[in-house]
Amino acid sequence: AQSVTQLDSHVSVSEGTPVLLRCNYSSSYSPSLFWYVQHPNKGLQLLLKYTSAATLVKGINGFEAEFKKSETSFHLTKPSAHMSDAAEYFCVARGGGNQFYFGTGTSLTVIP
Amino acid sequence: GAGVSQTPSNKVTEKGKYVELRCDPISGHTALYWYRQSLGQGPEFLIYFQGTGAADDSGLPNDRFFAVRPEGSVSTLKIQRTERGDSAVYLCASSLGAQQPQHFGDGTRLSIL
Repeated sequence: AQSVTQLDSHVSVSEGTPVLLRCNYSSSYSPSLFWYVQHPNKGLQLLLKYTSAATLVKGINGFEAEFKKSETSFHLTKPSAHMSDAAEYFCVARGGGNQFYFGTGTSLTVIP
Repeated sequence: GAGVSQTPSNKVTEKGKYVELRCDPISGHTALYWYRQSLGQGPEFLIYFQGTGAADDSGLPNDRFFAVRPEGSVSTLKIQRTERGDSAVYLCASSLGAQQPQHFGDGTRLSIL
């Protein structure tokens, strides 16, 4: 069975400083992994996806994530936070079927 | 282009009533998904359609919940005898195929009084 753990429910950073949102997955095989962002009262927007082509994945808005099989991690990073990055972020794994398994989310606050 | 459209955006109804939530996927997307998101939680899978058929309905919580997609495009999620615990945001997503990223609508916020 698949599961996704987002290690921090809330992360707060100052504008212009790096962002790190942590995600670990549990699977007996390499899953497809995604990060989605959700702004208030809006639907989920795909940031990036990992599908085994490359372990370092670049997404939109300057975000990146690195797949580390040895650590079963898929952490999301950005070198410099912007005020518009404040939102809820979800790490998602797709298993052998077509179910998407969502983490519980990390709320990112950016301090001016 | 047009994204996934969900109507209504908000629905308030009384306990025991019947509700229908509509999802209009991106044109050409064969896969369609329904999720339920409770406050402070990540979306929880309900059901997945490939074309007109429900390929996986294992996430539906009980037999009060039912979904259809008769022509392989628009889908309707139906909830009978609503309960207060059904209050949540119901999200719909579609994708080009089963292995492709999902594109989400803005959701329907359902409140059961």
